[in-house]
This record gives sequence, structure tokens and C-alpha cells, in this order.
Amino acid sequence: EAAVTQSPRNKVAVTGGKVTLSCNQTNNHNNMYWYRQDTGHGLRLIHYSYGAGSTEKGDIPDGYKASRPSQENFSLILELATPSQTSVYFCASGDWGAETLYFGSGTRLTVL
Amino acid sequence: QQKVQQSPESLSVPEGGMASLNCTSSDRNFQYFWWYRQHSGEGPKALMSIFSDGDKKEGRFTAHLNKASLHVSLHIRDSQPSDSALYFCAASENQGKLIFGQGTKLSIKP
Repeated sequence: EAAVTQSPRNKVAVTGGKVTLSCNQTNNHNNMYWYRQDTGHGLRLIHYSYGAGSTEKGDIPDGYKASRPSQENFSLILELATPSQTSVYFCASGDWGAETLYFGSGTRLTVL
Repeated sequence: QQKVQQSPESLSVPEGGMASLNCTSSDRNFQYFWWYRQHSGEGPKALMSIFSDGDKKEGRFTAHLNKASLHVSLHIRDSQPSDSALYFCAASENQGKLIFGQGTKLSIKP
């Protein structure tokens, strides 16, 4: 089964602080995605990547940066965290033209 | 407005009953549709995909797609307590970037 690992599982940050969420996949998939999940909004796409060195803006990119240094790793960076970014964040991987995205177990971020 | 809208928001079905979930897209560019299921504390997992008009059956799950009305549904027969979860409809233009609906919370009552 495809494996996507996120770290940390839980994170508490202060307003204005920098937060980095990490994601690692062992599926050798080209594409990786960052979503946030909020009640009433479902899953919303923040950033995605087609391969090492590439990042693309999703539907809600403001306040977030992404980094894809290698095929396996994709990070989400909050340079100046705000309470509105309190949410559960999911990373996923998949191949172009494939039918399925494989999700990690999520990171619960609380910004105080 | 979300491009993928799901209904109902929540649904309660007796064990052994039929659960029906609905999804409508507002974007005619969406050609590919998926259903994902998320149990509490876990990430979403793909249930099934449907790309052509009509029905697609996988075990107790049947998906139906009508591209003309941009409507896709999921029907679960003989519902089990383990089917209790959050169900997401997702759509894509090109099988790459997936756009998700807001989810339907399904509860199966023993």
C-alpha cells in the first residue's frame, strides 16, 4: 500500500511564528498536494507539485509557501502563522493520470 | 461558491439500509469524479472513481454519473456500522488536481 507520512501529528504555534509541516512519500509518485480540512469547507487545496523543484498555487495559497526539494519530500511553510490557519492539514501523493490520491494521517495545527 | 457541492450535510441510516449521497458540480470542465471516505482520526481514502455516464458498481457501493447535469451520487446498500464516516465527492478536469466537496457525515445506527 502507498505510504505518505506527515510530521508532526500535532503542533501548537504562536501568532507570528514560523511553522513548517513536513511530508514524505515512498510511492515514487510525481505529484504531491497540501490540503487543509475545516468543518463546512471540506478539503481545500493550498499548494501542489508536479515533481522535485516545482510548486504550484492551489485554491487558497495566501499565507502559505511550499517546497519540494526531492521526489519524496514536500513541505508546507507558514512564515507568519495566524489563528485563521488553525486547521488540520493533509498531504497527499499521486501520479499524473492515476485514479487515486494517497493521503497521510494529517497534522493538527493550532495557532494561539 | 464551492465548485463541488454535496448533500445532505449529514445522514443517519439504520444498519442494513440503503445510504444515498449526492454531489453536484458547477464547473463543466470537470470530467472525472471520485468518492473518498474518511474515518475519524485518519486521512481520506479513495472508495471509487467514475468517469463515464451511468452506473459503476463495486461490491455494496454503486456510483452514478450524469455529466449533462453534472451530478454524481453514491449508494451504499446493506449499510454496516463500519460505513460510518465522512464521505467526500471530488472532481478533476484532468485527473491531476482534485477539488473536494464539503463532505457528508454518514452515521449507521445498529
